[in-house]
Amino acid sequence: SQQGEEDPQALSIQEGENATMNCSYKTSINNLQWYRQNSGRGLVHLILIRSNEREKHSGRLRVTLDTSKKSSSLLITASRAADTASYFCATDARGQGGKLIFGQGTELSVKP
Amino acid sequence: GAVVSQHPSRVICKSGTSVKIECRSLDFQATTMFWYRQFPKQSLMLMATSNEGSKATYEQGVEKDKFLINHASLTLSTLTVTSAHPEDSSFYICSARGGYSNQPQHFGDGTRLSIL
Repeated sequence: SQQGEEDPQALSIQEGENATMNCSYKTSINNLQWYRQNSGRGLVHLILIRSNEREKHSGRLRVTLDTSKKSSSLLITASRAADTASYFCATDARGQGGKLIFGQGTELSVKP
Repeated sequence: GAVVSQHPSRVICKSGTSVKIECRSLDFQATTMFWYRQFPKQSLMLMATSNEGSKATYEQGVEKDKFLINHASLTLSTLTVTSAHPEDSSFYICSARGGYSNQPQHFGDGTRLSIL
């Protein structure tokens, strides 16, 4: 069963603007991960945030995790046209042996 | 960073053919490999998890006789779609992970399978 739900499903912004994507999940997790997928390609790992962490940064990416609300957000600051891709959250649920359950994804379009 | 190579990137073949897809971890030992299927504009669906030297664990609804998985070494896993039919056409993606379950998965570039 699908663990994560993401919103929005699609997001279109101008270069330079910030993009925020949200992810909600249902069960207890070990960690939550964000991945990026360019059309027709595999996934690229962006950030892993553990269940005892609340915020994590990597370059222009900022991820937050609220385990009480079972939600996470990915913020991309100062977006670029090259950020255009689909973004997926994935949860490593407790007791599942490290399997990842992916959300439906957010399709981000950054217009130059 | 960790590199996973998936081959072939695209396959077009006739109905009834068996197709083998390879997934290799190039610069790390992949204790666990995962196989996913992705339909257009949809998320990844986990098909099976394979640990080196043991039988794969299939997700509910995935036919193990249809999708044969072999993980004979720490750097190679293969997925064979046996007697493929048009409904098996999809994008198949593998991923690999090292020894700890809290490590990220590293993905191959996927295989676009088209059965005529």
